[in-house]
Amino acid sequence: DIQMTQSPSTLSASVGDRVTITCRASQNINNWLAWYQQKPGKAPKLLIYMASSLEGGVPSRFSGSGSETEFTLTISSLQPDDFATYYCQQYNSYSPWAFGQGTKVEIK
Amino acid sequence: EVQLVESGGGLVKPGGSLRLSCAASGFSFSTYSMNWVRQAPGRGLEWVSSISSTSTYIYYTDSVKGRFTISRDNAKDSLFLQMNSLRAEDTAVYFCARDPRASSWYDYFDYWGQGILVTVSS
Repeated sequence: DIQMTQSPSTLSASVGDRVTITCRASQNINNWLAWYQQKPGKAPKLLIYMASSLEGGVPSRFSGSGSETEFTLTISSLQPDDFATYYCQQYNSYSPWAFGQGTKVEIK
Repeated sequence: EVQLVESGGGLVKPGGSLRLSCAASGFSFSTYSMNWVRQAPGRGLEWVSSISSTSTYIYYTDSVKGRFTISRDNAKDSLFLQMNSLRAEDTAVYFCARDPRASSWYDYFDYWGQGILVTVSS
């Protein structure tokens, strides 16, 4: 099965910072990757699908890139509402759905 | 507006059973694949099970195979998860989630319910 590894596990940043989160797949998943944001006590919210496609209604400061085994989620200018935990998810049909372990973005 | 509302959670003893339900509204439920994802307290997200629109395809994560059964009632716009032989490690918030397009399969999840807590403890 494909394993997803995110780094870092925790990230401390300030409002206005550019933030990058990395997600690595143990095998080639082409572009079958999604990113979610989750706040405490809430359901995950879809941000990005197909590695780089922005979900409708998601602010343009969020962007995704990468392919095959290495992917990044970038927040161009961190806003107060962005402090949350972020998860990547692979949905390549050759392996069960799998999430990364999460990256918590904290206030510095 | 798409809505997914889970119910049926609670406290159950090890070895016991629970049936989770997810009531869907705001979209043509019978044409969408559906999924269950869980999150243990303080932990990350874990995919549990998925079912295609006509129940032709059903998948489970290895740790629940033989104990959990996913099903759906398209006439009642409802998704279910029958959980038997529950263990302490099944303690989690369980979310139902929808595939993003009608007739899609093996996709990401665009809408999620609010989640329901299942606690397995003696």
